[in-house]
Amino acid sequence: AQSVTQLDSQVPVFEEAPVELRCNYSSSVSVYLFWYVQYPNQGLQLLLKYLSGSTLVESINGFEAEFNKSQTSFHLRKPSVHISDTAEYFCAVSVFTGGGNKLTFGTGTQLKVEL
Amino acid sequence: NAGVTQTPKFQVLKTGQSMTLQCAQDMNHNSMYWYRQDPGMGLRLIYYSASEGTTDKGEVPNGYNVSRLNKREFSLRLESAAPSQTSVYFCASSELDTQYFGPGTRLTVL
Repeated sequence: AQSVTQLDSQVPVFEEAPVELRCNYSSSVSVYLFWYVQYPNQGLQLLLKYLSGSTLVESINGFEAEFNKSQTSFHLRKPSVHISDTAEYFCAVSVFTGGGNKLTFGTGTQLKVEL
Repeated sequence: NAGVTQTPKFQVLKTGQSMTLQCAQDMNHNSMYWYRQDPGMGLRLIYYSASEGTTDKGEVPNGYNVSRLNKREFSLRLESAAPSQTSVYFCASSELDTQYFGPGTRLTVL
């Protein structure tokens, strides 16, 4: 079985400051890694994912995450946040099989960007 | 192209009442999922359907049943609602690695 730990339930940050949201996972087999974002009163949207290849993955809106196998981490970073980045961020892992792609989610990190 | 749609958006039930949450996707995805989201607990998988005609239990299936009506539709039924089932319910669909989520149903059981 897989598990995901997001230690920070809330992260306040000022606009234009850098931010890191931490994610650690546990699994006995190789996993795929995801970050999803949830804006208020909406469903989840995929932000970025790591399946294989380059360990550094980027989103279209400036976020990036690096897969670190030795530390079993997949931390999310952005060098300069905007007020519109205020949302809840979920890290997730999956083990893809022929029977679908079941995700195991962390408990989420609420990012609050302040002026 | 609506993606994943869910009905209703809000629902209030009394303990013991039954209801069905509806989910439909127009992306021709094989796999569909039902999650519940509770504060401080993230999303937990209730049931999933890897393909039309198959369903399997997830992490928290007790008190729920599902039906994969066809490739597009996947419904979640609460036979006898309990206050512990107060939650936000999300449906999702996927083809390969990425899941696409609906807007959610906020359910309150009194």
